[in-house]
Amino acid sequence: SAVISQKPSRDICQRGTSLTIQCQVDSQVTMMFWYRQQPGQSLTLIATANQGSEATYESGFVIDKFPISRPNLTFSTLTVSNMSPEDSSIYLCSVEDGLLGTQYFGPGTRLTVL
Amino acid sequence: LAKTTQPISMDSYEGQEVNITCSHNNIATNDYITWYQQFPSQGPRFIIQGYKTKVTNEVASLFIPADRKSSTLSLPRVSLSDTAVYYCLVGEDSGGYQKVTFGTGTKLQVIP
Repeated sequence: SAVISQKPSRDICQRGTSLTIQCQVDSQVTMMFWYRQQPGQSLTLIATANQGSEATYESGFVIDKFPISRPNLTFSTLTVSNMSPEDSSIYLCSVEDGLLGTQYFGPGTRLTVL
Repeated sequence: LAKTTQPISMDSYEGQEVNITCSHNNIATNDYITWYQQFPSQGPRFIIQGYKTKVTNEVASLFIPADRKSSTLSLPRVSLSDTAVYYCLVGEDSGGYQKVTFGTGTKLQVIP
């Protein structure tokens, strides 16, 4: 299975600022996904990032707030813009790997907004 | 997307077999069933995946009846390190990839 790393692993930010989270995969993958997990909650899909095309956002998430880049088949970034305390969450990237489309997840980025 | 329903929590003693059942009544023909394990402050870890009947790997077994409206994850002889949240997912073929929705998951507490 693919090995996924995320940077930073955690950060504490001031409201109104932006943070860019990086996701690196050790192999080329077509589909990458970004999720948010709020404290004590399950995972919610933010968007799907296919290399070479614009990201597809889920209901409730917009590009202005969560811009995503996918410059190549091994890398993606998610930016959390104009942050507020409500954005405090764990942000996870995942990739689809294998014939059955199984998703494999990175370790997550724990974001705290003050 | 097929919605899944699981027990919110379960307790088990060390060394016992644990079975977690997931209901997915409106599963579609092309959907696969996948289970993940998540420890606090970590990303979900893939456990097992199946389409029908029984699948077994070195970690767990997955039982899927013929109607595929439910599935059961079986963890043999659990240890304290198996304490985690377990998610049952049903993937929907969405233009070439499996789109999944995470439910509430089952919080398994293994007791010494």
